[in-house]
Amino acid sequence: GAVVSQHPSWVICKSGTSVKIECRSLDFQATTMFWYRQFPKQSLMLMATSNEGSKATYEQGVEKDKFLINHASLTLSTLTVTSAHPEDSSFYICSASVPGLAGTGELFFGEGSRLTVL
Amino acid sequence: AQSVTQLDSHVSVSEGTPVLLRCNYSSSYSPSLFWYVQHPNKGLQLLLKYTSAATLVKGINGFEAEFKKSETSFHLTKPSAHMSDAAEYFCVVSERSSASKIIFGSGTRLSIRP
Repeated sequence: GAVVSQHPSWVICKSGTSVKIECRSLDFQATTMFWYRQFPKQSLMLMATSNEGSKATYEQGVEKDKFLINHASLTLSTLTVTSAHPEDSSFYICSASVPGLAGTGELFFGEGSRLTVL
Repeated sequence: AQSVTQLDSHVSVSEGTPVLLRCNYSSSYSPSLFWYVQHPNKGLQLLLKYTSAATLVKGINGFEAEFKKSETSFHLTKPSAHMSDAAEYFCVVSERSSASKIIFGSGTRLSIRP
């Protein structure tokens, strides 16, 4: 099956620093990737849709200057949390749709990244 | 517009007893429906999916779900719960169109009592 790898799994940073999270499709080319944020005991909240070679589409209320998304290749999308603050601490998950299955809505998820901002 | 409702935020069953996690949806078009499982601090793993073929869908780990259009439901079941089934479960709906939007349910936490 399609494999999506997310790195790092855990990251702790100081307030004011920037953190980059990578999402890679290992055995397929992902033209579209999605970034989610998940608060404790809650569902996934879609932050943005990342399309290879173009600007990401952000959901309402998500600060695009705060959460920088880059999708420079067909196998890699990155989320950079800029000038992180404690309220940015959360679980971030990426997903990708597989060409041929995109119309079905089936997604393949990364393992998630736990960000803690001190 | 489409939506998905998971009727129970928490379900607790004894090991070896049946599991029922309820999901209702609304969709203007023919939907695709999914159940995903999430273990603590992990991503989501697909359990099963309905995409217009057989209405009774079998998934991994003994789970199955039945698409009932008349009831707009897609409940997840398993005949006999195992301790390893303890996790968070998400019902997801997607409209099968070129601009499909994927909607996540609020999740159901399944606890298994020894």
